[in-house]
Amino acid sequence: AQKITQTQPGMFVQEKEAVTLDCTYDTSDQSYGLFWYKQPSSGEMIFLIYQGSYDEQNATEGRYSLNFQKARKSANLVISASQLGDSAMYFCAMSDSWGKLQFGAGTQVVVTP
Amino acid sequence: GAVVSQHPSRVICKSGTSVKIECRSLDFQATTMFWYRQFPKKSLMLMATSNEGSKATYEQGVEKDKFLINHASLTLSTLTVTSAHPEDSSFYICSASGGVRGGYEQYFGPGTRLTVT
Repeated sequence: AQKITQTQPGMFVQEKEAVTLDCTYDTSDQSYGLFWYKQPSSGEMIFLIYQGSYDEQNATEGRYSLNFQKARKSANLVISASQLGDSAMYFCAMSDSWGKLQFGAGTQVVVTP
Repeated sequence: GAVVSQHPSRVICKSGTSVKIECRSLDFQATTMFWYRQFPKKSLMLMATSNEGSKATYEQGVEKDKFLINHASLTLSTLTVTSAHPEDSSFYICSASGGVRGGYEQYFGPGTRLTVT
């Protein structure tokens, strides 16, 4: 069975600082995908970044980077140069070989001026 | 590209009535669509997976007779909440798969907030 764990229920970060959101996972699949989504108060799920289990390089998308440590089964999200608009709930998710996503509990990020 | 729409965005209905929620992929063909439910301050929970032209696969604990899913075409899936009750009030989100990242990527609709009075 798959499991996704986000241990930080909430975090405060100052504007322009970097923040790391933790995510660990457990799976017996050899092939899987790891995702991060942002959910602002409006409720829409915004795709941020994807890492395939066979990708050797860490994924990066603008200010977002994914620190993928396969042996440790972790996929932490790093947001650099935080902006006020980054305040939202952030979910880590893992897809299985069927494409089904399982989400972590989420981390609420509040960016302060 | 990869836009998914949901309709309605908000719906209020009386207890005992049925509500239909539509999920459309606007600019790509979605071989698979997923339906999630999210309670306030909680994570998304997968309810069911639907493939075009076949019966939906429901997750454990989800009543298939209560949450009817139809995936009639490669761009449309519907979720009907039958005989809705206040405990069915929730945020329902669909997603569609068919993207380029080996089929893993899902594109989410904006969600439907259902309130049953």
